[in-house]
Amino acid sequence: ETGVTQSPTHLIKTRGQQVTLRCSSQSGHNTVSWYQQALGQGPQFIFQYYREEENGRGNFPPRFSGLQFPNYSSELNVNALELDDSALYLCASSPRQGTDTQYFGPGTRLTVL
Amino acid sequence: QKEVEQNSGPLSVPEGAIASLNCTYSDRGSQSFFWYRQYSGKSPELIMSIYSNGDKEDGRFTAQLNKASQYVSLLIRDSQPSDSATYLCAAGYNAGNNRKLIWGLGTSLAVNP
Repeated sequence: ETGVTQSPTHLIKTRGQQVTLRCSSQSGHNTVSWYQQALGQGPQFIFQYYREEENGRGNFPPRFSGLQFPNYSSELNVNALELDDSALYLCASSPRQGTDTQYFGPGTRLTVL
Repeated sequence: QKEVEQNSGPLSVPEGAIASLNCTYSDRGSQSFFWYRQYSGKSPELIMSIYSNGDKEDGRFTAQLNKASQYVSLLIRDSQPSDSATYLCAAGYNAGNNRKLIWGLGTSLAVNP
């Protein structure tokens, strides 16, 4: 166990809806990264948060947004859901900015119908 | 375009054999490399990190790095059926003031009893 938790575990939404996914980072970790992993693919970087600020973003549209809170927990929000958003969403925490080692939570499986 | 490439497999080995997983990366500036194991439907689990040329051993696992050839490998000795999973290779690189990981698509390993 990495100490990184995510909720919910599974989620089913319909196209056009909005969803919020949550992540609690490992104690002492101030950097959180979010990834999308489609079936049979490697993780795709969505964005990273460090001390409540977005600290880099991958090739995802603005309808993917996030927050980090003072306790370093984080949220991923996705608006106007599309069928292709169906994937495993992974949160990973790092001990500090500038380190590469990332520890993953169990993920949230999102299905968009 | 920074890339990490892996043979998708499946790689099939008999129980007790050595499994050899390979990864190449395109960015010569990458300084850190990681192997993660991912069971079906689960999140990636960190197995090894390696930063210097040569071998790094941890139990049954050995990571090998050759920066001149831009090549990283993972050897699993005495393979067990429980090692059957997808193995993801990741490389760390500088993105402005930040550090990011780029991921391969993973190699599927099947260890046959």
